[in-house]
Amino acid sequence: GQNIDQPTEMTATEGAIVQINCTYQTSGFNGLFWYQQHAGEAPTFLSYNVLDGLEEKGRFSSFLSRSKGYSYLLLKELQMKDSASYLCVCSDSNYQLIWGAGTKLIIKP
Amino acid sequence: GAVVSQHPSWVICKSGTSVKIECRSLDFQATTMFWYRQFPKQSLMLMATSNEGSKATYEQGVEKDKFLINHASLTLSTLTVTSAHPEDSSFYICSAREVPESSPLHFGNGTRLTVT
Repeated sequence: GQNIDQPTEMTATEGAIVQINCTYQTSGFNGLFWYQQHAGEAPTFLSYNVLDGLEEKGRFSSFLSRSKGYSYLLLKELQMKDSASYLCVCSDSNYQLIWGAGTKLIIKP
Repeated sequence: GAVVSQHPSWVICKSGTSVKIECRSLDFQATTMFWYRQFPKQSLMLMATSNEGSKATYEQGVEKDKFLINHASLTLSTLTVTSAHPEDSSFYICSAREVPESSPLHFGNGTRLTVT
């Protein structure tokens, strides 16, 4: 079956760096998305990876290894506003989206 | 950037009544739109995939006769919660995808439904 695993919850300190991991098993692969969702709000798009490697976008970077079925989202210089849930989403061979349950990131001062 | 407008933002209705939620793609055409439901402190759950001009595809456990989806044009999909009950109270979110299918989803701001 198709499956995505990511940690349920993580805690980090303001100003630090945190890495949120995601492993996936899908029928085919057409890319992986990361979304951010603040409590009570809709998700917002952060990144998309379809080729192996690191994509950097400001304080956020996303990495993909297709051979390992693995991705991570790296957040640098953490700010309190980064407290949110981070969703890992895979697109399978039919472009069907498989959603992870999300990682709740708690930032402490 | 691409914008998805969802209306209303919140609605309170009485048990037994029906509520319609609209999802519009404002500056792009969306052949596929998605409807989600999210209960407090829980994950986003896909309810159905709405395809323009054809019947929606519902996820397992979602009652198609209760949650009516219509995707009559390339820019509009509607979700109607029929005969709403208090247990239907939730946060409903729509999203739309541009062409090609590798494009990211654009989400509406969600509709908070409270059934009294």
